[in-house]
Amino acid sequence: DTAVSQTPKYLVTQMGNDKSIKCEQNLGHDTMYWYKQDSKKFLKIMFSYNNKELIINETVPNRFSPKSPDKAHLNLHINSLELGDSAVYFCASSQGLRKETQYFGPGTRLLVL
Amino acid sequence: EDKVVQSPLSLVVHEGDTVTLNCSYEVTNFRSLLWYKQEKKAPTFLFMLTSSGIEKKSGRLSSILDKKELFSILNITATQTGDSAVYLCAVEAQSGGSNYKLTFGKGTLLTVNP
Repeated sequence: DTAVSQTPKYLVTQMGNDKSIKCEQNLGHDTMYWYKQDSKKFLKIMFSYNNKELIINETVPNRFSPKSPDKAHLNLHINSLELGDSAVYFCASSQGLRKETQYFGPGTRLLVL
Repeated sequence: EDKVVQSPLSLVVHEGDTVTLNCSYEVTNFRSLLWYKQEKKAPTFLFMLTSSGIEKKSGRLSSILDKKELFSILNITATQTGDSAVYLCAVEAQSGGSNYKLTFGKGTLLTVNP
């Protein structure tokens, strides 16, 4: 059984488009995250949601917006895509802020042309 | 600005060797230090360290934190080819109220040759 799943796995799109990446976890966790890993493998946290409340929002452009319809889902919407948005986006979840319970999804590789 | 620096950036060893990976940090309102292993895809959690001098151990891996000197080390003994991965260090810091910041280092690429 998949603990944290993301769709799509790969996403190729043109500059200027709007796209969404979906994330679902079936672990019963109450905290979910989005991370971005660039081409140099540098990992950076973007957002963290706990009980549907945003508890961390690093300095990401406001073109990126997380949407959490319920505790099991945290989707990432990206408007007006730019070349620099090309990266692998990882979703993760944990119980509270306990990182020892954190599981990552398989990642979504986004390529903006 | 919070900083996390890992060294070396890459390391090649032979099976059976022991390796030590380093992570130093400069953050305000330190909360915890985390180690992750990233193979081809998503990172997996290894350790979370909050107190100085207490070694965390999991099989051949162990880690310790020095909050006075602001660094941590990750040791891997009797390395195996399956240990080949990028090892990421991250530091959590409180940033007001219930918010926190998480800063990652650039990782150490470990290659274990048979």
